[in-house]
Amino acid sequence: GDSVTQMEGPVTLSEEAFLTINCTYTATGYPSLFWYVQYPGEGLQLLLKATKADDKGSNKGFEATYRKETTSFHLEKGSVQVSDSAVYFCALSGGGSYIPTFGRGTSLIVHP
Amino acid sequence: NAGVTQTPKFQVLKTGQSMTLQCAQDMNHNSMYWYRQDPGMGLRLIYYSASEGTTDKGEVPNGYNVSRLNKREFSLRLESAAPSQTSVYFCASRGGQGEGYTFGSGTRLTVV
Repeated sequence: GDSVTQMEGPVTLSEEAFLTINCTYTATGYPSLFWYVQYPGEGLQLLLKATKADDKGSNKGFEATYRKETTSFHLEKGSVQVSDSAVYFCALSGGGSYIPTFGRGTSLIVHP
Repeated sequence: NAGVTQTPKFQVLKTGQSMTLQCAQDMNHNSMYWYRQDPGMGLRLIYYSASEGTTDKGEVPNGYNVSRLNKREFSLRLESAAPSQTSVYFCASRGGQGEGYTFGSGTRLTVV
């Protein structure tokens, strides 16, 4: 079946550092890929998405590129802020299934 | 504002009590989902509804029932609450295969 693997956290960074959160997937067909963010005490919010190979999703300074050859969708940001502290989830959907697959989530902590 | 509305936000139940968690979306989405989120377990799918009039079991359906009342509303019922059902419950909806989810803000349920 489909699966998503994320790097384990927490990831701890200083403000203005470069962020990478790794995400790899296995899936049949050509899924769409997503990153969600969950701030403390809130539900998940869609951060960005990519629907086909080589697409780059971007939002709020975050970027991720759909890499079919490496089955990856790594999340990056050039300069993180304290307000980026949250849990980030990688997810995929597609192949005719109504059930998306989520990774376990990666906690990001940014210190001033 | 368009989105997914969950009620209640907080609830404490005694073991054996019943309750219904309500969820409504105003985005004309076809698919709706119920998840539970527990520390270290990520998101686990309880039930989903691919379209109005259909419901299907997810990964952890035992102890729960659902009703897709109409296209807007999808409720989750606990008939006899157990301490193992202490969790944060999220409702989500999605318009189409390539679209991301929209999540509600969650219901924090404690069963004592």
